Amino acid sequence: AQSVTQLDSQVPVFEEAPVELRCNYSSSVSVYLFWYVQYPNQGLQLLLKYLSGSTLVKGINGFEAEFNKSQTSFHLRKPSVHISDTAEYFCAVNPANAGGTSYGKLTFGQGTILTVHP
Amino acid sequence: EAGVTQSPTHLIKTRGQQVTLRCSPISGHTSVYWYQQALGLGLQFLLWYDEGEERNRGNFPPRFSGRQFPNYSSELNVNALELEDSALYLCASSLGTGETDTQYFGPGTRLTVL
Repeated sequence: AQSVTQLDSQVPVFEEAPVELRCNYSSSVSVYLFWYVQYPNQGLQLLLKYLSGSTLVKGINGFEAEFNKSQTSFHLRKPSVHISDTAEYFCAVNPANAGGTSYGKLTFGQGTILTVHP
Repeated sequence: EAGVTQSPTHLIKTRGQQVTLRCSPISGHTSVYWYQQALGLGLQFLLWYDEGEERNRGNFPPRFSGRQFPNYSSELNVNALELEDSALYLCASSLGTGETDTQYFGPGTRLTVL
């Protein structure tokens, strides 16, 4: 089975400051990793994903994330945030070569609420 | 290209009633997934359908059920509603059943059970 831990439930930051949202995962098999964003009263929007290859992944809206296999982490970063980045961010994993109950389902972290202040 | 659509947007039901939620996937996608986002419980996987067949099921009681139609749209049915069923129900779709296929989410249906 897989589990995802988002280390911060809330992250307040001022506009134009850098931000890092932390995500650690646990899995007995290789995983694919995703970050989604949820704006108030909306569904989830894919920010970026890591499937293979370069461990630094760039996504939409200036976000990027780095996969660290040894630390089982996939932290999300943005060098300069905007007010419009205020939202809840979810890290998720999908196991590779999975069978049984893990097949095809995303396991999500509890979410990190990013609040950008002017 | 249209995204995943869900209907209705909101609905209110009372305990013991039954409800049906609907989802239309992105054109060309054959897999549909259902997730529940309840306050304090996070996002939990409910069901996965592909080519009309149930492929996987999360840890939910049998009163949660669904189906997928030949046009790949899907319904989620919840019988004998309980107060704790109040949640945002999210539908997602993917191109196929490959483990690298990305799931794209719809806007959700907000269910309130009184």
